[in-house]
Amino acid sequence: AQSVTQLDSQVPVFEEAPVELRCNYSSSVSVYLFWYVQYPNQGLQLLLKYLSGSTLVKGINGFEAEFNKSQTSFHLRKPSVHISDTAEYFCAVSATYSGGYQKVTFGTGTKLQVIP
Amino acid sequence: NAGVTQTPKFQVLKTGQSMTLQCAQDMNHNSMYWYRQDPGMGLRLIYYSASEGTTDKGEVPNGYNVSRLNKREFSLRLESAAPSQTSVYFCASRRMGPAGGQETQYFGPGTRLLVL
Repeated sequence: AQSVTQLDSQVPVFEEAPVELRCNYSSSVSVYLFWYVQYPNQGLQLLLKYLSGSTLVKGINGFEAEFNKSQTSFHLRKPSVHISDTAEYFCAVSATYSGGYQKVTFGTGTKLQVIP
Repeated sequence: NAGVTQTPKFQVLKTGQSMTLQCAQDMNHNSMYWYRQDPGMGLRLIYYSASEGTTDKGEVPNGYNVSRLNKREFSLRLESAAPSQTSVYFCASRRMGPAGGQETQYFGPGTRLLVL
């Protein structure tokens, strides 16, 4: 079984301020971790993903995320946000179970509102 | 390379009417998915097709049927629409293989459905 928790449904932040969007997960097997972004009236697109290796992952648009296995977290950060970052952000976990069954689970999303 | 396309973009139905949502991808991906997105609930998997010729139920399959017409196309059918099916529907595809869990999902732009 696997689950993803995004504790913050909405995060308002002033332009040029830093932001952290939190994601915690649980799984009985090893997982791969993803952050997707959804701009208004669009589908989701990949922001970044953690597969293995360095726990700090850099993505598009200046975002980065850090995998913390002991805390089962994969928080998303940006040091200085822009108005164009206003969107909804989804954390997702992907795992492969015995028999090759693969499952992706999404969090409930965090709406980032950048205030000018 | 259009990626994942969905038709229609918008649809209004009356309770009891039927309709089919179309999805096609041109990336030669094996796996395709149908999700629904509702406020505060993130993305929930309706059905998926791990490969051409196979389909499986996801988290919320009741009231829906699917057809994997060929490798490119994966349709979702509502036989008798209900107001509870008012939602935004996303189709996604993913390349799968031995390390399929690492692969990114690619999403279509969505179909906004209102059932009166």
